Amino acid sequence: DQQVKQNSPSLSVQEGRISILNCDYTNSMFDYFLWYKKYPAEGPTFLISISSIKDKNEDGRFTVFLNKSAKHLSLHIVPSQPGDSAVYFCAASVRNTGNQFYFGTGTSLTVIP
Amino acid sequence: DGGITQSPKYLFRKEGQNVTLSCEQNLNHDAMYWYRQDPGQGLRLIYYSQIVNDFQKGDIAEGYSVSREKKESFPLTVTSAQKNPTAFYLCASSTIAGAETQYFGPGTRLLVL
Repeated sequence: DQQVKQNSPSLSVQEGRISILNCDYTNSMFDYFLWYKKYPAEGPTFLISISSIKDKNEDGRFTVFLNKSAKHLSLHIVPSQPGDSAVYFCAASVRNTGNQFYFGTGTSLTVIP
Repeated sequence: DGGITQSPKYLFRKEGQNVTLSCEQNLNHDAMYWYRQDPGQGLRLIYYSQIVNDFQKGDIAEGYSVSREKKESFPLTVTSAQKNPTAFYLCASSTIAGAETQYFGPGTRLLVL
């Protein structure tokens, strides 16, 4: 059963606008969440993370929001750039119980120049 | 440069044949992982190892085997028992169990002839 879900397989956004990628999870024990970015035929690269003790973490153009009551997190990219076009995976884990990360199915973001 | 290397980039397997995918890291990481990515699906964990000479099954270990004789190396063998091996295989590593992120290699695409 998929514990981490990304219900939008694709998203298109105009350059300069905001991109919002969403992720839902079912396991209330998850306490650490990450976003990875992946280009075709390459491995994912770490983008940003958030611990469950926070509800927001910001790094430059990237902000992750966590809503624990809704078991929902989102990644905001502002402003979106063509180089942001990639597949974005969210992942979740339970810290200190091992190191298994559970990944969503990915959202393919296209930023249109 | 420190990083994770995977070889080959593409691998072809004949019916009934075992093939081995290589994964090497020079990041001095303790933990290493193998994931499989299929179209429309997230990354699924095959095996992971937290220390040399020890490894654990992930969610989809059937038809696969691994070894961890050296800290730097974590090869994955896709055996003939794996009936649907065509996929993109990703190797990752992290510093310790429960680490904050995993670092991924470039991946190997396995195709069946």
